[in-house]
Amino acid sequence: ILNVEQSPQSLHVQEGDSTNFTCSFPSSNFYALHWYRWETAKSPEALFVMTLNGDEKKKGRISATLNTKEGYSYLYIKGSQPEDSATYLCAPHQTGANNLFFGTGTRLTVIP
Amino acid sequence: AAGVIQSPRHLIKEKRETATLKCYPIPRHDTVYWYQQGPGQDPQFLISFYEKMQSDKGSIPDRFSAQQFSDYHSELNMSSLELGDSALYFCASSLRGSATNEKLFFGSGTQLSVL
Repeated sequence: ILNVEQSPQSLHVQEGDSTNFTCSFPSSNFYALHWYRWETAKSPEALFVMTLNGDEKKKGRISATLNTKEGYSYLYIKGSQPEDSATYLCAPHQTGANNLFFGTGTRLTVIP
Repeated sequence: AAGVIQSPRHLIKEKRETATLKCYPIPRHDTVYWYQQGPGQDPQFLISFYEKMQSDKGSIPDRFSAQQFSDYHSELNMSSLELGDSALYFCASSLRGSATNEKLFFGSGTQLSVL
C-alpha cells in the first residue's frame, strides 16, 4: 500500500476563479504520476500521465506540474467552470509495480 | 471508439451468496485492473492481470478470486458475500508499454448491493 495524500479534500470556488490542489506521494521508486477526473455518475477519465521531474502538462484550462524529488504534483484549473466540478484523483505508479494507488481525491465544486 | 465494458451495471445479492462481475477491456489492451470503491471511500486496488497472468494483488479478500481469459476479458468472483462488500467495482484496462504510459481507461463500474 502506498501513502498518497491529496489536499484539500474538498473545495468550493466561484465560477471564474482559478484554483489548485496538491498530490503528495513517496518519491522513492517513482515511475509515473497519473491524474484522473471523476465526475459523479461517470467513470474516471485520465487527464495526465507525467514521468519527468519538472514536467508540466496542459489540457485546455487544466495544467499540472510534477516534482519527483520531493514527491508532489500540483493540478491547476484556470477560470473554473461549473463543468469542472468533479473529484480529481492522483495515482502514482512505482517502478516494478503493476498497479496504481489512488489518493482520496479532491472534490471540486464550482458555484455558478 | 470502444471503451471498457462492465457487466452487470447493478447487482443485488443477499449475504452469503456469490457474485460474478465481468470486464471486457478495450481491444488490444493486455492489462486489466480491478478497483473497489466503498461509499464515501477512495478507490482501493484489488488485483491486476497482464497477459492472462495475475500481475499484482492488493486488498482483495480471500473470498474473492479473479482471472483473465484468453480473449483478455476478466471476471471477479465473489463468494460468501458480506454487507461490507457493497461497493462500486471498477475495472480498468491499459496497454502495457504504450506511448501513453499505460494510461488507465475505466469502465462504468458495477454497483453491488449486498442485503
